[in-house]
Amino acid sequence: AQSVTQLDSHVSVSEGTPVLLRCNYSSSYSPSLFWYVQHPNKGLQLLLKYTSAATLVKGINGFEAEFKKSETSFHLTKPSAHMSDAAEYFCVVSDPPGTGRRALTFGSGTRLQVQP
Amino acid sequence: GAVVSQHPSWVICKSGTSVKIECRSLDFQATTMFWYRQFPKQSLMLMATSNEGSKATYEQGVEKDKFLINHASLTLSTLTVTSAHPEDSSFYICSASPGNTIYFGEGSWLTVV
Repeated sequence: AQSVTQLDSHVSVSEGTPVLLRCNYSSSYSPSLFWYVQHPNKGLQLLLKYTSAATLVKGINGFEAEFKKSETSFHLTKPSAHMSDAAEYFCVVSDPPGTGRRALTFGSGTRLQVQP
Repeated sequence: GAVVSQHPSWVICKSGTSVKIECRSLDFQATTMFWYRQFPKQSLMLMATSNEGSKATYEQGVEKDKFLINHASLTLSTLTVTSAHPEDSSFYICSASPGNTIYFGEGSWLTVV
């Protein structure tokens, strides 16, 4: 079975400072990993994804994440936070290849608060 | 790009009634779609896998007689919450994938009063 753990339920940063949202995964296979963002009362938006290509993945809105197999981590970072980044962020792992499914396992989420 | 559309975005219904939520793949065919549920301040949980032309596969703990899923065509899956109760109030979202990328619908906020 695979799982994903988001280490912080809540992160607060000041506008203009770096953002780090931590995620660790567990998978018997080479995983596909994603970060999604959910703004209040909105659906989900894909920030970035890792699918066994480059380990440093660049996403939208200046976010990036690095896949570290030795640490089983996929932390999300951004050099400078913006007020509009305040939202809920989910680290997600996809079902293993060959299963025929594309279902996702979501982490518990990290709420990012950006202070002016 | 590929788009998944979900309808309605918001719905309020009376306790005991049924509500249908639609999930459509607009520019690709989806033999499989997935339904998730998110309770307030919690993460999303997979409810069931919707399979075109066959029965849905439900996750453990999800009542298949309460959450009826129909996937009658390659572009449409429906989730019907039957005999809805206030505890069914939640955010329901579907996903589908034409390939390596997974697309989500906009989600449906259900409030049962």
